[in-house]
Amino acid sequence: DTGVSQDPRHKITKRGQNVTFRCDPISEHNRLYWYRQTLGQGPEFLTYFQNEAQLEKSRLLSDRFSAERPKGSFSTLEIQRTEQGDSAMYLCASSDSLWDSSYEQYFGPGTRLTVT
Amino acid sequence: GNSVTQMEGPVTLSEEAFLTINCTYTATGYPSLFWYVQYPGEGLQLLLKATKADDKGSNKGFEATYRKETTSFHLEKGSVQVSDSAVYFCALSVPNTGGFKTIFGAGTRLFVKA
Repeated sequence: DTGVSQDPRHKITKRGQNVTFRCDPISEHNRLYWYRQTLGQGPEFLTYFQNEAQLEKSRLLSDRFSAERPKGSFSTLEIQRTEQGDSAMYLCASSDSLWDSSYEQYFGPGTRLTVT
Repeated sequence: GNSVTQMEGPVTLSEEAFLTINCTYTATGYPSLFWYVQYPGEGLQLLLKATKADDKGSNKGFEATYRKETTSFHLEKGSVQVSDSAVYFCALSVPNTGGFKTIFGAGTRLFVKA
């Protein structure tokens, strides 16, 4: 298994444009998470999926953000009408435990978004 | 609410020095506690964890003890190496919709000089 992968690794876009990021979790992991990380801060929870169901969305996730996991495998995070404040590292993680609080999350390398 | 507070960095040490990175938390119930590490250019990875009071997590010479009475989970290592230079994140998991959610601290950057 190659771990969690994310694509692209870097994205530079102009304000107002739409961007889409992809995350491929570890195969057979049923839970997938999206986080946002800004400089000097820890990951902030955005949303997570159990298989294809999106179970929770953070208040950080405005209407311009949408995430999908259509077949319970890879996931996409789309940001519409990007703003400079969206510039951050977007992290994806997966895990294989539903009911164990001590579950380990496996993180991808992240997608760094710069909005100019 | 649930939160994690860890000491601000950067922390700069010489090789073989003793390391402590403080972490305290606020949570309802009995969370599991974690330390994640992020090496330069890499994704976060689990370093160690503890699931109940007085448990000690350990890995790669690092240790942390779940202290319920002081709501702390301080990270320690007796002798750091240059290769330990990284950002360290304290985290907790709490029950949430359909399972559990993880909350991270702001991270502490460690520099180890040869």
